[in-house]
Amino acid sequence: SQTIHQWPATLVQPVGSPLSLECTVEGTSNPNLYWYRQAAGRGLQLLFYSVGIGQISSEVPQNLSASRPQDRQFILSSKKLLLSDSGFYLCAWRGVRYGYTFGSGTRLTVV
Amino acid sequence: DAKTTQPTSMDCAEGRAANLPCNHSTISGNEYVYWYRQIHSQGPQYIIHGLKNNETNEMASLIITEDRKSSTLILPHATLRDTAVYYCIVSTYNFNKFYFGSGTKLNVKP
Repeated sequence: SQTIHQWPATLVQPVGSPLSLECTVEGTSNPNLYWYRQAAGRGLQLLFYSVGIGQISSEVPQNLSASRPQDRQFILSSKKLLLSDSGFYLCAWRGVRYGYTFGSGTRLTVV
Repeated sequence: DAKTTQPTSMDCAEGRAANLPCNHSTISGNEYVYWYRQIHSQGPQYIIHGLKNNETNEMASLIITEDRKSSTLILPHATLRDTAVYYCIVSTYNFNKFYFGSGTKLNVKP
């Protein structure tokens, strides 16, 4: 069966520090992968999606970037975090029938 | 951009049916209606989806109007654990990306 792993679960980082969040998928090949962010009390905002290795589409220009170095690995990064980067970050992959399967999320607090 | 409209919040008594409406007046012929829910501090969870026929699974029923411009998600016997934000999304079957709207916060009360 397909599973999605996302870590860390929580993260507290100072303003100006770098960020790297990793997401991996098991049990499937060439998945579509997605990064969403949810600010406190808000809806889910699509940040990036990838249909294959090295292929990244950005939905919202901002202080973040994404990379897909391997088929089942999706990384979200920032060189210098801002306070506004705080939020709940979710990785997801697209299944054949049921739409998305989401990871458990990373709650990022920038202080 | 989200192409659906949902009420911001709804209350439901425990054990009663919860009926969550969604308007999607600009839906295209090849677009499906998907429903997800997000329990606090968790990732969204798939509930059900449909094209034009009513659908039922172990979690819920989906009623789509004949003109497909609106739909209703029905939780037949709501429990406290059904308290969550419910998202209605329209997308083609071969979609590349989902856009989530604001959803409906369902409060199930004892």
